[in-house]
Amino acid sequence: EPEVTQTPSHQVTQMGQEVILRCVPISNHLYFYWYRQILGQKVEFLVSFYNNEISEKSEIFDDQFSVERPDGSNFTLKIRSTKLEDSAMYFCASGQGGQPNQPQHFGDGTRLSIL
Amino acid sequence: DQQVKQNSPSLSVQEGRISILNCDYTNSMFDYFLWYKKYPAEGPTFLISISSIKDKNEDGRFTVFLNKSAKHLSLHIVPSQPGDSAVYFCAASGAYKYIFGTGTRLKVLA
Repeated sequence: EPEVTQTPSHQVTQMGQEVILRCVPISNHLYFYWYRQILGQKVEFLVSFYNNEISEKSEIFDDQFSVERPDGSNFTLKIRSTKLEDSAMYFCASGQGGQPNQPQHFGDGTRLSIL
Repeated sequence: DQQVKQNSPSLSVQEGRISILNCDYTNSMFDYFLWYKKYPAEGPTFLISISSIKDKNEDGRFTVFLNKSAKHLSLHIVPSQPGDSAVYFCAASGAYKYIFGTGTRLKVLA
């Protein structure tokens, strides 16, 4: 069964450094998402992306964050100047459609640790 | 932002018995709800969903019930199996995003 893959599985970065988290969505999916889960807390929506544009973003997704689909397969999340509170699991998801009844498929996440 | 709440952080059930996981929401505009299961070190996996125009959806051992007037949904797993032990998240589907609850850790005891 096709799956969403994320790399790296664990990223350790110094505070203030830039980090890029990478995702390869399922190949025929058109909608892409990033979520994060701070340890012990709920999974929170960050951003959705369709047709090379951000469809919606949360208040968490400030100017420090950006997303890109640089080629036909990758979907990246960049954090420009990381802060301690950016430490979390980051999940990428993709979906065939954006309708509510079409489930999103999640990758196994990247654990981001900011020192 | 507590639009979706799962008030039970954990639940233990004997193998073979029914597991009932609950979820409450506040926004009556949500039109679709989903349940995801999550194992450690893995991403959430889609389990079952329900449209707001229905009150029940069943898929094998899993049944989701929706009570719109109470803004409440529940996931029933019967019979529960040890492999069902995981964290279960309910999610409400909004425009281009999911809003997740905080999760309930289910432990099925053999």
